[in-house]
Amino acid sequence: AQSVTQLDSQVPVFEEAPVELRCNYSSSVSVYLFWYVQYPNQGLQLLLKYLSGSTLVESINGFEAEFNKSQTSFHLRKPSVHISDTAEYFCATTGGGNKLTFGTGTQLKVEL
Amino acid sequence: NAGVTQTPKFRVLKTGQSMTLLCAQDMNHEYMYWYRQDPGMGLRLIHYSVGEGTTAKGEVPDGYNVSRLKKQNFLLGLESAAPSQTSVYFCASSLLIRLGGYTFGSGTRLTVV
Repeated sequence: AQSVTQLDSQVPVFEEAPVELRCNYSSSVSVYLFWYVQYPNQGLQLLLKYLSGSTLVESINGFEAEFNKSQTSFHLRKPSVHISDTAEYFCATTGGGNKLTFGTGTQLKVEL
Repeated sequence: NAGVTQTPKFRVLKTGQSMTLLCAQDMNHEYMYWYRQDPGMGLRLIHYSVGEGTTAKGEVPDGYNVSRLKKQNFLLGLESAAPSQTSVYFCASSLLIRLGGYTFGSGTRLTVV
């Protein structure tokens, strides 16, 4: 069965610093990979996705993630974070069915 | 606005009471899902549906039942609530995953006392 591991439960970072949120997956079949963001007291919003094609995917607000098949990773990066990026981030995958399996989440806290 | 609507947004139940959470989507999605979110555990799939009239168990189905009588609605029922069911419940809908991800509702915060 497919699974997702988010190694860091919390990541504190200063504003304008770079950040990387780690995600590793396990699957024996073709994968689709997603990052979702959850702002306080809200639902989850799709941030970016890898379905096929280019292994580097980008979001409209400056985040990017790279699908690395050999390392089974899909880490999320941003070169310069803003206070408004404070949120919880979830990595998710599906290993062939139409259901997503989520990681346990990483709380990104951006400090001044 | 198009999307997924969950009702109610908040609810407090006493142990043993029953309730139904409603999820409605207006995007003509075939697939619908119910997840629960608990601190440190991410989102866990309770039940899901691949189309009108069909339902299936997810990772944590015990204590819950679901129905999908209409394509746009997916109901989650708790027949006899327990404190362990205190959680935030999210509904989502989708097309085939290879066409994109889920659209989530805003959640229902349920407390069982």
